[in-house]
Amino acid sequence: KNEVEQSPQNLTAQEGEFITINCSYSVGISALHWLQQHPGGGIVSLFMLSSGKKKHGRLIATINIQEKHSSLHITASHPRDSAVYICAVPQNTGNQFYFGTGTSLTVIP
Amino acid sequence: DGGITQSPKYLFRKEGQNVTLSCEQNLNHDAMYWYRQDPGQGLRLIYYSQIVNDFQKGDIAEGYSVSREKKESFPLTVTSAQKNPTAFYLCASSLSLADTQYFGPGTRLTVL
Repeated sequence: KNEVEQSPQNLTAQEGEFITINCSYSVGISALHWLQQHPGGGIVSLFMLSSGKKKHGRLIATINIQEKHSSLHITASHPRDSAVYICAVPQNTGNQFYFGTGTSLTVIP
Repeated sequence: DGGITQSPKYLFRKEGQNVTLSCEQNLNHDAMYWYRQDPGQGLRLIYYSQIVNDFQKGDIAEGYSVSREKKESFPLTVTSAQKNPTAFYLCASSLSLADTQYFGPGTRLTVL
């Protein structure tokens, strides 16, 4: 049983397309994290959100606590957005995270 | 220039040898973590430390050991008891547990 499920697993888009990546979770949470893993392996934290919506540049993250669902949107996608996007939620103990298996995005010029 | 560093980036070892992966941070974070990543799988927690001189096992601690003698450093030793050590290892730190984590660049370990 996976506490965090992401969809789709793989996504290919043309440059300029609007992209949506989904994350569903089964545990009660205080906040949800979106991470980006570059092809070289490094990971950066994109968002931590507990309600509503956050925006950073072309990236938008939304969360619906009642439905236990979050989405990551990328507007005007660009080849440099190609990466694996990972959703993570803290466990109830607050000591660890549940991680999704990631969505691999490829943006074609 | 604050950040978290791991070394080396690539590491090759013979089967049966212990190997230590370095993780250093100058972000003044209390919490540090070690994760393992295998192809097609999510990050799995090996060990974490909430504070100096304290650490806890994660989901896959068998065959690994850590120390936290200094706030800045959290080295991971992959012992010969780890059955499948070849993987990508990521270190992370955060101000406190469950806070936003900052990741190092990772070490790709290959055991021959």
